Order: sequence, then structure tokens, then C-alpha cells
Amino acid sequence: GAVVSQHPSWVICKSGTSVKIECRSLDFQATTMFWYRQFPKQSLMLMATSNEGSKATYEQGVEKDKFLINHASLTLSTLTVTSAHPEDSSFYICSATIPTSGRTYEQYFGPGTRLTVT
Amino acid sequence: AQSVTQLDSHVSVSEGTPVLLRCNYSSSYSPSLFWYVQHPNKGLQLLLKYTSAATLVKGINGFEAEFKKSETSFHLTKPSAHMSDAAEYFCVVSPPNTGNQFYFGTGTSLTVIP
Repeated sequence: GAVVSQHPSWVICKSGTSVKIECRSLDFQATTMFWYRQFPKQSLMLMATSNEGSKATYEQGVEKDKFLINHASLTLSTLTVTSAHPEDSSFYICSATIPTSGRTYEQYFGPGTRLTVT
Repeated sequence: AQSVTQLDSHVSVSEGTPVLLRCNYSSSYSPSLFWYVQHPNKGLQLLLKYTSAATLVKGINGFEAEFKKSETSFHLTKPSAHMSDAAEYFCVVSPPNTGNQFYFGTGTSLTVIP
């Protein structure tokens, strides 16, 4: 199956600094990638849809100036958490989609990035 | 509006006994349906998917799911639980002709008792 990687797998940063998380589709091209946030014992919360070559689409309540998304190529999307604060500590997961039969898509997930802001 | 309901937040079974994780969806038309498994601090792995072909879908690790349109259900089953099955399971719906839209259930935590 298709493989999506994330880097780093975990990161600790100090409050006020910025952190960049990379999401790569390793063996396929992804025009669309998704960024999710997951709190402990909860489901995934969609933050934004990242489209190659255009601006990301953010979900309601997600600050686009705080969570900067760049999808510069068909295999790479980045999420930058700017001026991080302890409340931004979370598990961030990206995914990429591949069109399958008909007009359906299949989603492949990265392994996630654990961000801890001290 | 689309929605996904996972009826049980926690399921506990003994090793070697059957597993049943329930999922109901609401959709005007037959959607694509997926089950994913997530182990602690890991990403999501696709177990199986339904995309309007056979209603009984076989996935990895011995899991199966049956699409029942009349009941708007897509329950996940496995005949015999293994310790390694202990994880979080998510039912995901993608409505037809919506492109890249996915709706997640709240998840079911499966515990396997030795």
C-alpha cells in the first residue's frame, strides 16, 4: 500500500518557538493532504486540508496564522506551529489520499508527530 | 448531513473470543466506509474498506465487516481476538461524489483480556 511519512516523530520545544512538521507521500503523488490533531483518548480532529499549489482550507476554529500549512510539491506538505504554547501540545497526524475506483478516495495516514511544548 | 456513530466507546473481550465493534452511519446515499486501527502513539492503519462492491468485506489480520444498507451499519468483526488486537478502532465514512471528505467516528477502544 501507499506510504506516508512524518518527521519528526516527536518534538519538544519551548513556549514561544515555532515547530515545523513534515508530511511526505513516499511512493505516490498527493494533490491533497490532511492535517489532524488528536487529543488523548479522542478521535481525530481535522485541522485543515492542504492542496498542492494553493492555499490550505482551514476548519472552523483553527487559527490559520498559528498553524501554517504549505504544500509546495505533490509529495510534501508542512505544518508549522508558530509561537507554540503548552496548549498546542498534542499528537498531529497527516494523511494523503489516492483516488480509487469511481469517484472514491482512500486515505493513508502518517505515523504521527507528538509535540510537547514546555 | 453525514455522521458516524460508534456505539461503544470501550469493548473488552477475552483472548480467543469473537470481537464485534459497531458502527452506524447516516448518509443519503451509499457511502464509502472504512475501518482503521490505531495503536498507541501510532498513525492509523487501514483494516478494510467498502466501496460499493461486495457487502462482506475481508480485511487484514482476520477482520471482516458487513455493509448493511437497510440498517445503515458497517460493524467490524473478528472470530477470535488476539492480544495484539488491543487498540483503538475508528469507523470512517466518505459520502459519494464528495471527493476528499471523510467523517470519523469517536473511536472504540478494544481491550483483550488474556
